[in-house]
Amino acid sequence: DAGVIQSPRHEVTEMGQEVTLRCKPISGHNSLFWYRQTMMRGLELLIYFNNNVPIDDSGMPEDRFSAKMPNASFSTLKIQPSEPRDSAVYFCASRWDDNTEAFFGQGTRLTVV
Amino acid sequence: KNEVEQSPQNLTAQEGEFITINCSYSVGISALHWLQQHPGGGIVSLFMLSSGKKKHGRLIATINIQEKHSSLHITASHPRDSAVYICAVRSRYFGNEKLTFGTGTRLTIIP
Repeated sequence: DAGVIQSPRHEVTEMGQEVTLRCKPISGHNSLFWYRQTMMRGLELLIYFNNNVPIDDSGMPEDRFSAKMPNASFSTLKIQPSEPRDSAVYFCASRWDDNTEAFFGQGTRLTVV
Repeated sequence: KNEVEQSPQNLTAQEGEFITINCSYSVGISALHWLQQHPGGGIVSLFMLSSGKKKHGRLIATINIQEKHSSLHITASHPRDSAVYICAVRSRYFGNEKLTFGTGTRLTIIP
């Protein structure tokens, strides 16, 4: 397996534009996580899915952020409209179950200008 | 006070030295994770612990649940161990999972 795959690796966009980040988890993994990493706040959990169902989205900063997992092999994190303070590295991770470790994607570095 | 505190924040050592990174937490947890983030930015999960001790190669992780403390040790350190090491604790509330991260320890191993 190629691991958790995120795209794009880098995204530069103008304030106000819609941004969509994509994640393909490892095949067979039942849980998927979206994290955000900034210099100021470090790593933060935004949302996680279990069997494609969003379990906890309390970490999503505001209504401009939304995440979907239409099937077991794909998830998106969308920001609309984007703002400069959304600039960060966004990581996706997946794991088999509660008792196993998570595998991280390489991250998407988002810059909103 | 942060729920998860790591020390030291920065650590520079000579190749071959024994390294210890500490993590203290203040909440009840179901598991503790040690993560490694290399300068390129990728994150790798090193350990997941709920009790005792685990060892992978030159890395050892221990946890003391009563003292709410975990340590990550690196024996015979090497420049390729240079990275940021992040402690994260997992706790459960109302059936949901909460993951709280420490701010990381930046380790630099000098040849």
